[in-house]
Amino acid sequence: DSGVTQTPKHLITATGQRVTLRCSPRSGDLSVYWYQQSLDQGLQFLIQYYNGEERAKGNILERFSAQQFPDLHSELNLSSLELGDSALYFCASSDGTSGVADTQYFGPGTRLTVL
Amino acid sequence: TQLLEQSPQFLSIQEGENLTVYCNSSSVFSSLQWYRQEPGEGPVLLVTVVTGGEVKKLKRLTFQFGDARKDSSLHITAAQPGDTGLYLCAGMMNYGQNFVFGPGTRLSVLP
Repeated sequence: DSGVTQTPKHLITATGQRVTLRCSPRSGDLSVYWYQQSLDQGLQFLIQYYNGEERAKGNILERFSAQQFPDLHSELNLSSLELGDSALYFCASSDGTSGVADTQYFGPGTRLTVL
Repeated sequence: TQLLEQSPQFLSIQEGENLTVYCNSSSVFSSLQWYRQEPGEGPVLLVTVVTGGEVKKLKRLTFQFGDARKDSSLHITAAQPGDTGLYLCAGMMNYGQNFVFGPGTRLSVLP
C-alpha cells in the first residue's frame, strides 16, 4: 500500500460524458502527478501540482483539467469523453522537495471505460 | 516517437536465468528511475540513479546509468517468478520537473 488513494477504482461511461477522478496523496506529500496509461501509448505524464499550484504540464488534452485543493487532494476532470480516452489513470504523490531524486508513490489507479 | 526506448519489449525466461533490459534515449536526463508494475497496480519505484556511470545494487538487481546520462540498464541475476512484471524506466528531462516514461519491458519468469 503506497498510501495514495484513488477513487473510483472503475468507471464506465458513454462518449460525450464528463467524469471526475479523485486522488488523495500520502500524508505530508505536497506534490501530485496525474498519468494516463493505455496499451498503445504506455504511461503518459499529464500534469503536476505542487501545494495547490500547477508545476508542470505534459500531454494533457484541452478537454482534461485538474486542480489541487487546499487539503492537497486532487481531481482530474475529463470531459467530452471519446472512446480513445479509455485507459488507466494513475495519481502519484511525492514530497516535491527532492528535485531529480524525487520519489513518486503511485496510487492503485482508476480504470476508465468509455463506451 | 518515444523519447525513451526500452528493449526487449517482451522477455520470457526460466527461473534461475540472468537477464538484462535496456533503456535508451538520444536525450540527456537529470536522473533516471526504474519501476516495476504488476497487473492491476501502480508502478513501484525500484531505484533512482543521478550520476553518469553510477551503479546501484538492490539484492539481485543491478542498475547502471550511462556515462552520458542518456541510457540505463537493469540486470537481474538468478531471476525468480516473483520478478515477473512490467519494468519501466523514467527519465527526468529538466531539473525538478516531470518524468518521461519508457514503454516498458514485460518480463515473465517461469518456474
